Formats: sequence, C-alpha cells, structure tokens
Amino acid sequence: DGGITQSPKYLFRKEGQNVTLSCEQNLNHDAMYWYRQDPGQGLRLIYYSQIVNDFQKGDIAEGYSVSREKKESFPLTVTSAQKNPTAFYLCASSPDRAGGQPQHFGDGTRLSIL
Amino acid sequence: KNEVEQSPQNLTAQEGEFITINCSYSVGISALHWLQQHPGGGIVSLFMLSSGKKKHGRLIATINIQEKHSSLHITASHPRDSAVYICAVSPAGTALIFGKGTTLSVSS
Repeated sequence: DGGITQSPKYLFRKEGQNVTLSCEQNLNHDAMYWYRQDPGQGLRLIYYSQIVNDFQKGDIAEGYSVSREKKESFPLTVTSAQKNPTAFYLCASSPDRAGGQPQHFGDGTRLSIL
Repeated sequence: KNEVEQSPQNLTAQEGEFITINCSYSVGISALHWLQQHPGGGIVSLFMLSSGKKKHGRLIATINIQEKHSSLHITASHPRDSAVYICAVSPAGTALIFGKGTTLSVSS
C-alpha cells in the first residue's frame, strides 16, 4: 500500500546536537511538507517542497533545514540553532502543488530534549 | 486573531449522540479540509470540500462559502470516534492553514 513513512517514532536529542528526521513517500506525490505540532496549537509549517531540488521556508523555518534530492524523500534536520525543538513533527505529501488536494500524513516523530 | 477558528475546543459525548464541530475562517480559500488525528498522532484526511456537503458513513461535512463556515457532524457517535478533529483551509496557491483542533471523547 502507498503511504508516508516517518522514522523514528521517538527521538531524543542532547543539547547542541543536530538530528535528522526521515520522511519517505511512495505515492509519487510532487509536494511534500514538514509541520510542527505543539500542545494546544495548530500545525505550523516548517518547510515545503513542490518539486525535486527545490524547497521553500514555511512560517517557522528558523533552526531547521531540509533537502529534496529525490522525489520520494524529504528529510528534516533540527539544528542546534533551534532553541525549543521538543515537539511532534509531521510529514505530509500532496499530488497538488497548490494545496487544493488532500494531504497524506505520516504517523509523526516525537522529538524530546535530554 | 487566528485565521481558522474551531469550536468547541473540547467535546464529551455519550455513545449514540449526534456530534457537531464547527470551523470558521477569515481568508479566501480554494478548499477546506477536515482531518482526524488519532491518539498516537497519525492524521487521516476525512473530507475536502469546496462547496455543499459530503457524506462518508456516519460523518457529514458541510461548508457555506459565503459565511466562511464549515461543520463536521458525526451521527450515532461511538467510542472509536474519540480523536482530535482538525479543520484546515487552502488559500489558493499556498500551504494549508490549520485550526487548533477539537478533542472529542465519546464514552460508552
């Protein structure tokens, strides 16, 4: 079955470390997204990519970086510059670059600081 | 003011009750989405609406474009419906804007 795979499900980071969250999709979707979810808040867009080798910053990109070398993969790196990284991170994809079609979501990665 | 407002924030119901969750938005949109987030965190897309009404099983979603308002109804609610329901809108050509979600708990 097609879908989005995020790994790991739980991730722990020490202060000053960079960590990379994996997102892979086999839906042949052009667009991919990374969201951050904090308690009591709606999902906020970190980065999105509408095509391979291209990506744009979302609302809260500071302290994060991404790459899109392959259509099916969109990894997110949480850098040491992100001062409050503890959150739930969701990856999504869509066949429609304009956002007018349903997005498919992964099961998320919960990141915690040790 | 948030661009997407949901109400209520929390909702408790007895099994079998009719549930309504509301969503109001303040921007022009090309579509509105209703999503369901399970306790483990995974999100499933329930509906995408640009006008009128859609039905899937016990779930019904309606949208009034003029009033910038949508409702999600659950008929004959069941404990397995317990989840967070999220409204999101698609302003044309940009990424989704999400509401904060409504936490539904249905007890037997």
